[in-house]
Amino acid sequence: EDQVTQSPEALRLQEGESSSLNCSYTVSGLRGLFWYRQDPGKGPEFLFTLYSAGEEKEKERLKATLTKKESFLHITAPKPEDSATYLCAVQGSQGGSEKLVFGKGTKLTVNP
Amino acid sequence: NAGVTQTPKFQVLKTGQSMTLQCAQDMNHNSMYWYRQDPGMGLRLIYYSASEGTTDKGEVPNGYNVSRLNKREFSLRLESAAPSQTSVYFCASSGTSGRWYEQFFGPGTRLTVL
Repeated sequence: EDQVTQSPEALRLQEGESSSLNCSYTVSGLRGLFWYRQDPGKGPEFLFTLYSAGEEKEKERLKATLTKKESFLHITAPKPEDSATYLCAVQGSQGGSEKLVFGKGTKLTVNP
Repeated sequence: NAGVTQTPKFQVLKTGQSMTLQCAQDMNHNSMYWYRQDPGMGLRLIYYSASEGTTDKGEVPNGYNVSRLNKREFSLRLESAAPSQTSVYFCASSGTSGRWYEQFFGPGTRLTVL
């Protein structure tokens, strides 16, 4: 069974204080690992897809990396507008399913 | 493009009442999904439709039915609502060209069952 564990559950940073969020996973044949951002009262917003170990992707202050067992979302010099819950999800190849398995998320708060 | 739209945004039901949540996408995607999101539980898949005319159960299908009305629309029905179905419901869709596996989400429906 595919599983995703995100840590920490919550993270408070000061503006400009860089840090990383962790996503550990177990999956039968990784098709893709996805990062989403979710603001309160809204649907998840797609950020990145990573397909293979060693892959990295960047968007503004965010950088996602992938190994065979985990992914990191690095946040460099965060701003208050980066405050949100960040979700990680994996898609496995078992049974040809398109289903995503989500972690419970990391709630990030960036104080000015 | 509106992306994925959902109606209603909010709904309050009494135990035993029925209702249908509507979802539509204008991205010409083949696949559509229904999730529920509960505090401490994360997003869990209820049902999905890989293509028009097909539907499959997800992780938590009990108490729900779905209909893939056409390529654009995918509805979720609660036949006899229970307090355990109080949740936020999200619809999502994914395409088959280029960004094949990425799912795009609607704004959600907040449902309370009393």
